[in-house]
Amino acid sequence: DVKVTQSSRYLVKRTGEKVFLECVQDMDHENMFWYRQDPGLGLRLIYFSYDVKMKEKGDIPEGYSVSREKKERFSLILESASTNQTSMYLCASSLAGGVDTQYFGPGTRLTVL
Amino acid sequence: LAKTTQPISMDSYEGQEVNITCSHNNIATNDYITWYQQFPSQGPRFIIQGYKTKVTNEVASLFIPADRKSSTLSLPRVSLSDTAVYYCLVGDMRDRDDKIIFGKGTRLHILP
Repeated sequence: DVKVTQSSRYLVKRTGEKVFLECVQDMDHENMFWYRQDPGLGLRLIYFSYDVKMKEKGDIPEGYSVSREKKERFSLILESASTNQTSMYLCASSLAGGVDTQYFGPGTRLTVL
Repeated sequence: LAKTTQPISMDSYEGQEVNITCSHNNIATNDYITWYQQFPSQGPRFIIQGYKTKVTNEVASLFIPADRKSSTLSLPRVSLSDTAVYYCLVGDMRDRDDKIIFGKGTRLHILP
């Protein structure tokens, strides 16, 4: 079974703090994704990566950056957290690109005060 | 990237068959149709994927007409545990730059 783990289930940070959300997958998948999910807005893609050190912007990259130094790990960084970044963050991985099956982690609920 | 349209919400009763239809009028030749299910406080999980006609697995069936401009996810004899959000996605499996758009999905509520 594919396992995607995220570093925290719940996280509370203050405005202006730098926040790191970590995601690790154990199936040697090429592609990794970061989404955020907000009530009424569905899942929105922030960034994705199809190879180590590669990254592509999704639909809402503003205020975020990512890092992929190793194949199994994809980090989402909030350089200076703001209250409008309070959300559920979901990481996913897939073997191939496009609509190949994505496997999701349990999510991190981030609250920025 | 083909855009999809699906109902915002649906209600049904335990034991009934539920059909959720998704419209994707500008689907491309290489596009596949994929459905995900999401329970509260969990990430989405893959249910079924198809290209044309009919696909069936242990969870659901997917019906795709010849013109492929729509698809229908069919859940047989639903139970309360099928209450979830269902997402329809369309895209090219071979194009790694083809960004998946989950949208808002269909919120299915199963009543006892």
